[in-house]
Amino acid sequence: SQTIHQWPATLVQPVGSPLSLECTVEGTSNPNLYWYRQAAGRGLQLLFYSVGIGQISSEVPQNLSASRPQDRQFILSSKKLLLSDSGFYLCAWSVPGGEETQYFGPGTRLLVL
Amino acid sequence: QKEVEQDPGPLSVPEGAIVSLNCTYSNSAFQYFMWYRQYSRKGPELLMYTYSSGNKEDGRFTAQVDKSSKYISLFIRDSQPSDSATYLCAMSASGTSYDKVIFGPGTSLSVIP
Repeated sequence: SQTIHQWPATLVQPVGSPLSLECTVEGTSNPNLYWYRQAAGRGLQLLFYSVGIGQISSEVPQNLSASRPQDRQFILSSKKLLLSDSGFYLCAWSVPGGEETQYFGPGTRLLVL
Repeated sequence: QKEVEQDPGPLSVPEGAIVSLNCTYSNSAFQYFMWYRQYSRKGPELLMYTYSSGNKEDGRFTAQVDKSSKYISLFIRDSQPSDSATYLCAMSASGTSYDKVIFGPGTSLSVIP
């Protein structure tokens, strides 16, 4: 069966500090991968998606970036965090060419102070 | 007009009640419809997936799609305290993961014992 991991679960960072959130998927090959941000009381905002190693599409302009160094690894980064980067970050995967269903990780709660 | 709208609630019902959760959408190209359940501080988990119009039943859950009205519903029968969560509707236009999935903001549900 497939499993998706995210870490850390919770992170408190000062403004201006760098960020690295990691997501890995087990039990599947060549998944589509996604990073979402969920602000309190709001819907899911798609940040990045990837259909393969090194292939990243950005949905919104921001000070965040994403990388996919390995087939089942997806990393969300920032060089300098802003207060507005606080939120709940979710990684998800889906089967390429399959149903539209996306499967989510447990999430990382980020608080920028 | 937002692409997907959902009453944020909170919705509070007594245990055993029938719950109706709804979403409306504006894009007539949407064909794939999903419902996710999200417990507090957790990632969303897929509950139901339907294609085009019609009903789909899974245990106590029934998903209903009315494309002519651009309206989808999730019914929960014999609601339990463990159903207390936020319910997100989601939809997309095509059957490939390249097409963006649009999520509603979610409805918060509390089932009171």
